[in-house]
Amino acid sequence: GIQVEQSPPDLILQEGANSTLRCNFSDSVNNLQWFHQNPWGQLINLFYIPSGTKQNGRLSATTVATERYSLLYISSSQTTDSGVYFCAVEANSGNTPLVFGKGTRLSVIA
Amino acid sequence: GAVVSQHPSRVICKSGTSVKIECRSLDFQATTMFWYRQFPKKSLMLMATSNEGSKATYEQGVEKDKFLINHASLTLSTLTVTSAHPEDSSFYICSARGTGRTQYFGPGTRLLVL
Repeated sequence: GIQVEQSPPDLILQEGANSTLRCNFSDSVNNLQWFHQNPWGQLINLFYIPSGTKQNGRLSATTVATERYSLLYISSSQTTDSGVYFCAVEANSGNTPLVFGKGTRLSVIA
Repeated sequence: GAVVSQHPSRVICKSGTSVKIECRSLDFQATTMFWYRQFPKKSLMLMATSNEGSKATYEQGVEKDKFLINHASLTLSTLTVTSAHPEDSSFYICSARGTGRTQYFGPGTRLLVL
């Protein structure tokens, strides 16, 4: 099946810093979603981005489908950005579920 | 946006009992629902895919007699953990997909089996 690799696995930032999280995937996809999992376990849907670039406030994401990677940018990080960020992809082969990467655990310190 | 609910949010049960978890799509019809399991500090692992009105498709290594899935309507899927044991303790998350490709996730259910 499709493989999803996220990097870095852990990241510690000073409040106000910018960061880039990366997601590599091993096959063509027709869906890619970025999530933030909050301390209570809820997955917050950040972006649906199988290709192209999107922005939402301090967050933006870019997916280069032909090169099989996606990037999540966090600017001016805040302590509330802490948590685990997951990239999940759906292979380009019918009604298949999202396959998750192992996540990036982000800690933003004041 | 689309909303998916799960009930209960947390449950504690004795070993040997069965526990049912409900997953509902509140404002859209979900042709497909998915059940995931997450252990502490780990990623989400797919357990099964269920389409309304048909049998669920289980991932390799997931016991279908242990984890019973029913998708009786376009807005409701249930996961029943039968004869639960401590090793079944985990965080169970459902997701739902309507006509688009986006999957919407429920808030999860924490199961603790004593």
